[in-house]
Amino acid sequence: LAKTTQPISMDSYEGQEVNITCSHNNIATNDYITWYQQFPSQGPRFIIQGYKTKVTNEVASLFIPADRKSSTLSLPRVSLSDTAVYYCLVAANQAGTALIFGKGTTLSVSS
Amino acid sequence: GAVVSQHPSWVICKSGTSVKIECRSLDFQATTMFWYRQFPKQSLMLMATSNEGSKATYEQGVEKDKFLINHASLTLSTLTVTSAHPEDSSFYICSARPPEYGTGRNEQFFGPGTRLTVL
Repeated sequence: LAKTTQPISMDSYEGQEVNITCSHNNIATNDYITWYQQFPSQGPRFIIQGYKTKVTNEVASLFIPADRKSSTLSLPRVSLSDTAVYYCLVAANQAGTALIFGKGTTLSVSS
Repeated sequence: GAVVSQHPSWVICKSGTSVKIECRSLDFQATTMFWYRQFPKQSLMLMATSNEGSKATYEQGVEKDKFLINHASLTLSTLTVTSAHPEDSSFYICSARPPEYGTGRNEQFFGPGTRLTVL
């Protein structure tokens, strides 16, 4: 399984754009990059998934360079409610595949 | 999106007793579910994969006789912590994925978690 490395913590202010970068040097050809968000005492919630280039949804954007050895989650105009732990995961796109979580990035948004 | 529920949301028990945690997929059938454990300020740790109609697959270091998993139906998996001790106190989370998502969507749905406190 590909190992992921991301910053332990980040701080931001309301209204700013936040970019969290994840390194996954050993990503396999059939692996997808997925990001989850977790609030205290809750289960993780899916944010976005991508394979290459750029993916955007109503919550975030995911930028993946051509070599796929890293990815960047972009959260536009964060608010206090975006304070959470963000996990970058690399997993094969197969039904029934368990997700292996790394340490995650704790994002703290202040007013 | 799909919904996964857990019951109870929290439980307090005495040392030496057993506790059962239920994980249900409410609007889809799940042949496979996953159980995680999370200690304070730490990441989720995969404990086992629950397979409907067959034995669970446990991760290395997880005692299968202590953490009993039963996946008796396509919508229910249970985790029983037997002879619980204070060190078993943790946040237990399950997850599942609708099979119809296919290969184009690698998204899993997590339950809200169960906080276990063993006195």
